[in-house]
Amino acid sequence: DAKTTQPPSMDCAEGRAANLPCNHSTISGNEYVYWYRQIHSQGPQYIIHGLKNNETNEMASLIITEDRKSSTLILPHATLRDTAVYYCIVRVHILTGGGNKLTFGTGTQLKVEL
Amino acid sequence: EPEVTQTPSHQVTQMGQEVILRCVPISNHLYFYWYRQILGQKVEFLVSFYNNEISEKSEIFDDQFSVERPDGSNFTLKIRSTKLEDSAMYFCASSDGTGGPEAFFGQGTRLTVV
Repeated sequence: DAKTTQPPSMDCAEGRAANLPCNHSTISGNEYVYWYRQIHSQGPQYIIHGLKNNETNEMASLIITEDRKSSTLILPHATLRDTAVYYCIVRVHILTGGGNKLTFGTGTQLKVEL
Repeated sequence: EPEVTQTPSHQVTQMGQEVILRCVPISNHLYFYWYRQILGQKVEFLVSFYNNEISEKSEIFDDQFSVERPDGSNFTLKIRSTKLEDSAMYFCASSDGTGGPEAFFGQGTRLTVV
């Protein structure tokens, strides 16, 4: 799986958009970008994933550059409850037979403040 | 909303004792995982389980560890002879078999070995 690079920490004012960058310059053509977050010591929570098109769901938007070497997770209106460690993970999407493990890095600690 | 449940939330055990951590995955999911997170460190993959057998395991998952799906609903992780360094949060996760890439994590069991 391709390696990712994320800033160790970021701050964001409540109500503003939080833009979390991720660099994955060695990504392969069949590798997806996944984002998870971990609030305090709870279990990681799936946020969003994408291959090459921008994606949006009820939690966030994912913007992937045209060359796919980097991406940005956008939380449009951050709240205090979005304070968490955000993980960008790149891996092949395996459909059958298991092996869908996730390799977590150190992520970005997002702190949302009043 | 369906969720992965883990019991107990906190387990304290003496070094050398056996422990069993229990998980109830989401009912229609086919892939099951255990991860662990030592305090202050990354979330680490331990093992994946599919079709009643281990599909992948990490170096951490040595002979002291075993997994089982005893009754079609529970998924357990057994540590035969616990060591101090086994102290960690253990997360169970499951994912479906339709190609959905996201894994759903439980809230974890904090294992403390004394």
